[in-house]
Amino acid sequence: DGGITQSPKYLFRKEGQNVTLSCEQNLNHDAMYWYRQDPGQGLRLIYYSQIVNDFQKGDIAEGYSVSREKKESFPLTVTSAQKNPTAFYLCASSIWTELSSTDTQYFGPGTRLTVL
Amino acid sequence: AQTVTQSQPEMSVQEAETVTLSCTYDTSENNYYLFWYKQPPSRQMILVIRQEAYKQQNATENRFSVNFQKAAKSFSLKISDSQLGDTAMYFCAFMKFRGGNTPLVFGKGTRLSVIA
Repeated sequence: DGGITQSPKYLFRKEGQNVTLSCEQNLNHDAMYWYRQDPGQGLRLIYYSQIVNDFQKGDIAEGYSVSREKKESFPLTVTSAQKNPTAFYLCASSIWTELSSTDTQYFGPGTRLTVL
Repeated sequence: AQTVTQSQPEMSVQEAETVTLSCTYDTSENNYYLFWYKQPPSRQMILVIRQEAYKQQNATENRFSVNFQKAAKSFSLKISDSQLGDTAMYFCAFMKFRGGNTPLVFGKGTRLSVIA
């Protein structure tokens, strides 16, 4: 069953704690992305990675960190430096080939993070 | 930087009727893609339709079609024969083309309610 999985579905964090959100894909996609969704804000880019062992900051990277040690995995850590982490977090992946000319992002089901 | 504007925060339509959602964008890029994503109450992001900027022909997918006006930087979504299952948030998104696998820039969304 191919797709993108995110875990956990719901996550609660106490202030001052770091938490890690998991994102795994078995679609053999090269690129992976993390977006944050707040009410009335749409989705905003946190980090993205086009290849293993490389990633770039997005518009709202402060207080977050990522790693890309494997093609299938792109975990996001929300650190205590993130001042307002309560939000819905979406992971996506994509693949582009010259032959297909497709460049569509597919999304996981999301993780709802709440800071207590 | 690219921006995407969805000027209608909320819309409603009667079942079986047609509705058009508006989207405008600002960019200096010449090669790019445009997308409409749907987010139902489950919060899963689902691709509705995509348009390559170099194509003059408007994309269609069953009951969904777009009106792409490149000079006006406008990309509206028309939903024909609206169904109750179309009730969702709809996001317009922009992707510049840089050889593939580049992040999306989203609008803030339009909440569509289909009324029986």
